[in-house]
Amino acid sequence: DSGVTQTPKHLITATGQRVTLRCSPRSGDLSVYWYQQSLDQGLQFLIQYYNGEERAKGNILERFSAQQFPDLHSELNLSSLELGDSALYFCASSVDDMGTGNTIYFGEGSWLTVV
Amino acid sequence: EDQVTQSPEALRLQEGESSSLNCSYTVSGLRGLFWYRQDPGKGPEFLFTLYSAGEEKEKERLKATLTKKESFLHITAPKPEDSATYLCAVQAGGAQKLVFGQGTRLTINP
Repeated sequence: DSGVTQTPKHLITATGQRVTLRCSPRSGDLSVYWYQQSLDQGLQFLIQYYNGEERAKGNILERFSAQQFPDLHSELNLSSLELGDSALYFCASSVDDMGTGNTIYFGEGSWLTVV
Repeated sequence: EDQVTQSPEALRLQEGESSSLNCSYTVSGLRGLFWYRQDPGKGPEFLFTLYSAGEEKEKERLKATLTKKESFLHITAPKPEDSATYLCAVQAGGAQKLVFGQGTRLTINP
């Protein structure tokens, strides 16, 4: 158990809908990352937050947004969903955002199926 | 752009048959190279971090090594429970994010 908690574990929704994925980082970790994993793309970095502020953006679509709250939990919002958005979405956390080689721990993921 | 290439894509071994997985990388300013293990439908599980060429780390049947251009994950006398996808990732420049390779799917037959 990495200590990173994600909910829900599975969800099925229709095209055009909006969903919210939730993540609680490890105790003491201030940085939260979101990754997308699909069969053909591997693990792709979406976005990073540190102590409530956006730190880095990767290949995140404009239909997707995220935030980190004062209690450090984070939410990833996916809207106007398309079939191609079906994937495993992982949240990860680390202690800070600039320490060399800080270990990044992953949650168990939220499996999103868009039908 | 930072790139990570893992080979082979898949590897099937008999129990007890040792082998190595390769991770080649092209980055600007390597800060850390990470190995993770991932079981189907699960999150990546942290194994090792290597920081500089020549560094080695071991854990049970696994040993990771690092050169200036690649890393190897050596698996000695593997068991069926070592079957998983092994992911290599780099942290480079001023970024904290990880850039992942596509992984090596390892199967150990009893």
